[in-house]
Amino acid sequence: SAVISQKPSRDICQRGTSLTIQCQVDSQVTMMFWYRQQPGQSLTLIATANQGSEATYESGFVIDKFPISRPNLTFSTLTVSNMSPEDSSIYLCSVRPDRKNTEAFFGQGTRLTVV
Amino acid sequence: QQQVKQSPQSLIVQKGGISIINCAYENTAFDYFPWYQQFPGKGPALLIAIRPDVSEKKEGRFTISFNKSAKQFSLHIMDSQPGDSATYFCAASYLNSGSARQLTFGSGTQLTVLP
Repeated sequence: SAVISQKPSRDICQRGTSLTIQCQVDSQVTMMFWYRQQPGQSLTLIATANQGSEATYESGFVIDKFPISRPNLTFSTLTVSNMSPEDSSIYLCSVRPDRKNTEAFFGQGTRLTVV
Repeated sequence: QQQVKQSPQSLIVQKGGISIINCAYENTAFDYFPWYQQFPGKGPALLIAIRPDVSEKKEGRFTISFNKSAKQFSLHIMDSQPGDSATYFCAASYLNSGSARQLTFGSGTQLTVLP
């Protein structure tokens, strides 16, 4: 299993500003995943972050808008840049620590509201 | 082809009743089918999962039924309790051509169990 701490748990931000979300895991993991969950919607993968390499972004998400850092095997950050109200969402960090990379664990999420 | 279709969108059940949520998929490469439970303000948590080599898996009041030929799977919650009120996501996972495991979520079902 894995315990994931995400900070902040929620924030209200002005449009045009940026917010960095932190994700700390209690064990070393190869890959960390960032998801977006819009209100009442499912989870959409933003990017996969591997330690020591550039993050891999899914279609519709770009590095300039969602830069990711992965400085070590237990920590990652996601920045939401130049925010607009459309970025209001829950952002979730996830890991899959099992050897077969099947079981996903999630942080509690960061609820972002852009005004 | 990567989609997982989930129904119903919302479900209201009386305490003690059976809750049934259905999912269907197209991609025959999917080889792992988890269900996640999400309470408000929390990240999704793995509830139960099944592999396609079995037709049913039961853990306490929660049962997954899997029909490989129909490409459908469902979650049954027996003796539903008000504490089961949450959003449930089905998901499906497979190894892509780059040997990375892809995880796709259904759209979610908001379950309300009335006391």
